[in-house]
Amino acid sequence: AQSVTQLDSHVSVSEGTPVLLRCNYSSSYSPSLFWYVQHPNKGLQLLLKYTSAATLVKGINGFEAEFKKSETSFHLTKPSAHMSDAAEYFCVVSDLSGTYKYIFGTGTRLKVLA
Amino acid sequence: KAGVTQTPRYLIKTRGQQVTLSCSPISGHRSVSWYQQTPGQGLQFLFEYFSETQRNKGNFPGRFSGRQFSNSRSEMNVSTLELGDSALYLCASSPEGLNWETQYFGPGTRLLVL
Repeated sequence: AQSVTQLDSHVSVSEGTPVLLRCNYSSSYSPSLFWYVQHPNKGLQLLLKYTSAATLVKGINGFEAEFKKSETSFHLTKPSAHMSDAAEYFCVVSDLSGTYKYIFGTGTRLKVLA
Repeated sequence: KAGVTQTPRYLIKTRGQQVTLSCSPISGHRSVSWYQQTPGQGLQFLFEYFSETQRNKGNFPGRFSGRQFSNSRSEMNVSTLELGDSALYLCASSPEGLNWETQYFGPGTRLLVL
């Protein structure tokens, strides 16, 4: 069965510094991996996704993530944080091995300090 | 294209009552999934409907049910409400419900059970 672990529940960075949000997954099959962002009182918006094409995936708002099969990781990065990046971020794994197609991580709340 | 819409946006009910939430997917999308989001449990998959049939189901009691209409609109129903059912209920749609597809989320219905 698939699972996903977000290693940090809270991350604080200063504006203009790099962002790293960590995600590890477990999957018996070739997974699809996603990062979603949720701003307060809003629904979830897709940042980027990996579906077995290029391992370095670029998303919206300057975010990117690298699929590393050997490390079973899909960490989200951004070179320079902006105040508007403050939100909750969810890593999601989806494959064909389980009943539930989309498995969400527990989320990482990103705080950006001025 | 219009996004996923959910009605109502906010709802207050008392224990023992029942509630029906509605979701209209993006035009052309045939898969609709429902999720419950709470601070303690995070985002949990409730069920997925495709072509008016429940295709996947999460680990929730039978008080939670749903249906999908021929125009792909979906409703979920919670009977005999409990305090623990207070949550943000999110609906998501995708074209075919395939594991590599992006799910598009609505803004959610916030349910408060008193």
